[in-house]
Amino acid sequence: AQKITQTQPGMFVQEKEAVTLDCTYDTSDPSYGLFWYKQPSSGEMIFLIYQGSYDQQNATEGRYSLNFQKARKSANLVISASQLGDSAMYFCAMRGLGTGNQFYFGTGTSLTVIP
Amino acid sequence: DVKVTQSSRYLVKRTGEKVFLECVQDMDHENMFWYRQDPGLGLRLIYFSYDVKMKEKGDIPEGYSVSREKKERFSLILESASTNQTSMYLCASIEDRSSGNTIYFGEGSWLTVV
Repeated sequence: AQKITQTQPGMFVQEKEAVTLDCTYDTSDPSYGLFWYKQPSSGEMIFLIYQGSYDQQNATEGRYSLNFQKARKSANLVISASQLGDSAMYFCAMRGLGTGNQFYFGTGTSLTVIP
Repeated sequence: DVKVTQSSRYLVKRTGEKVFLECVQDMDHENMFWYRQDPGLGLRLIYFSYDVKMKEKGDIPEGYSVSREKKERFSLILESASTNQTSMYLCASIEDRSSGNTIYFGEGSWLTVV
């Protein structure tokens, strides 16, 4: 069974500080991809970052980095130097080759950046 | 640029009405999905389709049906809308079986059933 768990319903961070959003997953697929998406209040889903299960290095995209610990089955998102525009819902997702192309999403973390 | 378009952004329907939510993608993707999003529950898969005229049930298909007559169009149908189907509905598509390809979403359809 495929499952994504985000245990932080809401998080607060001071502007310019770094914040880590937690994500753990469970899968029986030997090869899979992990994704993070941002959803502002307007509703659109914005792709942030991707990590392949066989990638040796942690993925980075600008201020976003993914702390991938395969043995622990965790894929935490780190946002550095938080900005007010980072306030949004953040979803962790997983896709495996053996799961019919389905994406599995966590329940999301609401991040609020405080000035 | 990749584009997934949902025809209606905001809808208000009465209980018992038949509701059509349309989704079109311009990327020639084989796979298309319908999710509903509710606070605290994240995104839950209703139905998906991996080819024209093919469909598979997701995690919460009850009360919904889908239609995929053309590759670019995937429709979600609520045969008889109920108040517990008030939600935000997201259509999405992806390219192929590579695990690295991201999923592309439409802007979402906010449905209220009264």
